[in-house]
Amino acid sequence: KQEVTQIPAALSVPEGENLVLNCSFTDSAIYNLQWFRQDPGKGLTSLLLIQSSQREQTSGRLNASLDKSSGRSTLYIAASQPGDSATYLCAVMTTDSWGKLQFGAGTQVVVTP
Amino acid sequence: DGGITQSPKYLFRKEGQNVTLSCEQNLNHDAMYWYRQDPGQGLRLIYYSQIVNDFQKGDIAEGYSVSREKKESFPLTVTSAQKNPTAFYLCASTRAGDAGANVLTFGAGSRLTVL
Repeated sequence: KQEVTQIPAALSVPEGENLVLNCSFTDSAIYNLQWFRQDPGKGLTSLLLIQSSQREQTSGRLNASLDKSSGRSTLYIAASQPGDSATYLCAVMTTDSWGKLQFGAGTQVVVTP
Repeated sequence: DGGITQSPKYLFRKEGQNVTLSCEQNLNHDAMYWYRQDPGQGLRLIYYSQIVNDFQKGDIAEGYSVSREKKESFPLTVTSAQKNPTAFYLCASTRAGDAGANVLTFGAGSRLTVL
């Protein structure tokens, strides 16, 4: 069964620093990996989706990489801002479970002014 | 605007009562999902449906039931058989077809508390 792990569970950085969030998964047979943002008490907002054939995706200050062979993805957020404070979750869709995402527990990020 | 509407946002239930959470989408998505989120944990899949009148159990279906009579609607009933129903419930949807490219869209969630 696919296991998704996010380390660290929490992270605090000063404004302006780059954020590096890690996601690891045990089964490399995936369709895609998605990164989401969740604000307290809210639903999830999709940030980036990386298909299995891709190595990275970029959107503004966000860049996500995917290394299937090592079972890892990294989300980079450049020049962090207090508005980036949220919980970031990664989720993986494996090839034997179409449509079903396996989520990590998330990394809670605080960006201090 | 297209999106997913979940209601109610907050719900309190007495032990032994069934409650139904509503999920409606106007995105013309084929697939719909119910997830449960507990503090400090990732989302766990309860039920999902890829087409009208068909649905499958997820990882934690016991004590829950769903229906999919319309493409736009996927209500979740939390029955009295669910031992620990207090949680944050999230509904999501996506298009069918190319699984690799489909982004999951989420509703704002419903918080259920058992008194």
